[in-house]
Amino acid sequence: ETGVTQSPTHLIKTRGQQVTLRCSSQSGHNTVSWYQQALGQGPQFIFQYYREEENGRGNFPPRFSGLQFPNYSSELNVNALELDDSALYLCASSLASSSGYTFGSGTRLTVV
Amino acid sequence: GENVEQHPSTLSVQEGDSAVIKCTYSDSASNYFPWYKQELGKRPQLIIDIRSNVGEKKDQRIAVTLNKTAKHFSLHITETQPEDSAVYFCAARNQGGKLIFGQGTELSVKP
Repeated sequence: ETGVTQSPTHLIKTRGQQVTLRCSSQSGHNTVSWYQQALGQGPQFIFQYYREEENGRGNFPPRFSGLQFPNYSSELNVNALELDDSALYLCASSLASSSGYTFGSGTRLTVV
Repeated sequence: GENVEQHPSTLSVQEGDSAVIKCTYSDSASNYFPWYKQELGKRPQLIIDIRSNVGEKKDQRIAVTLNKTAKHFSLHITETQPEDSAVYFCAARNQGGKLIFGQGTELSVKP
């Protein structure tokens, strides 16, 4: 088992609603990244957290926000959901001093 | 901006043949290049990676080559098997830790 767990696995929301996705990092990993993967495309970088601070952000609007907690678990929050937000959301954890990323199984979000 | 181009988008080979997937990156500061295999409905799984101070790395049937001057890197799979069928993604990581993914290659290995 990879050690990175995400919840929930599937979620259906209505346009305009808000959603919170959760990720537990692999033990010992202090960096977490979030990615959005639309159907048939590669993962797109949303943002990264290192020791509870955001230290990198992709081309996503401010309604995508996140948190990292002292135990290095993380949340992705999306406000004012749009239909195009429907995607697989992946989190990946790593050690800042190491290059390897371990991905979770993802949360499949459907916005209707 | 930062970009990773991957080709081909689809690749079909006969079992036992070799498969090659190529990627080009734009950010010359990129220092780490992983390859992921993603089966339908599953998470991306790291299959091999290479750092910028190495030109080639091999792990059994899988090898990756890196040409930093040309900003190219490639995945080579030899003696392909039907279970190699999946979508493969290359990625390049910049010094800030951001992974930029290619668009993916759907590999089909026919028995």
